[in-house]
Amino acid sequence: QLQLQESGPGLVKPSETLSLTCTVSGGSISSSSYYWGWIRQPPGKGLEWIGSIYYSGSTYYNPSLKSRVTISVDTSKNQFSLKLSSVTAADTAVYYCARIVLLWFGPIDYWGQGTLVTVSS
Amino acid sequence: NFMLTQPHSVSESPGKTVTISCTRSSGSIASNYVQWYQQRPGSSPTTVIYEDNQRPSGVPDRFSGSIDSSSNSASLTISGLKTEDEADYYCQSYDSSNQVFGGGTKLTVL
Repeated sequence: QLQLQESGPGLVKPSETLSLTCTVSGGSISSSSYYWGWIRQPPGKGLEWIGSIYYSGSTYYNPSLKSRVTISVDTSKNQFSLKLSSVTAADTAVYYCARIVLLWFGPIDYWGQGTLVTVSS
Repeated sequence: NFMLTQPHSVSESPGKTVTISCTRSSGSIASNYVQWYQQRPGSSPTTVIYEDNQRPSGVPDRFSGSIDSSSNSASLTISGLKTEDEADYYCQSYDSSNQVFGGGTKLTVL
């Protein structure tokens, strides 16, 4: 059974960089059939796609976040990571990592449990 | 860029049928697949419909999806409502440069 687990600081100061890692177990991140993505959900609000990455390193980002987002992959560790720079309180959210079927915009078949990141001084 | 608009909330009684709409603001709803996700309180979302009308294994056939080009919208229909269906439901679609979620619909089964 595939599992995805987010990890990283739960508290980030304004203007700093948010960094999260997703560890994939029970399957290979190098599978040609999947992309890997980050989605976030501010408290009490809806879902927002952040970006997607292929095991080769190809990336696709939400245009509204593109200038601040970097997603990378480490196939040797079966992990992929998110960096979001210059954070503000508006970036406070539960951050989910996910497996995306076939294409960067495809359906999500597995989600991590999510991790709450609060931006506050 | 485009938006997906959903009703904020819907409610219906157990055993009845409910339909949740998802209207695309620009671009054809039929040109790009629509997915539907269910999110129960305190849990991660799960897929109930993918590629407009396909159900993942394990999702009961009470859940169905459709597309209406005349209204440029997608719909999620849940028949034989159960209390366990009470959740938030999100539609999702994409264009050449972005993927977008609808704002979500809170389904209350009372």
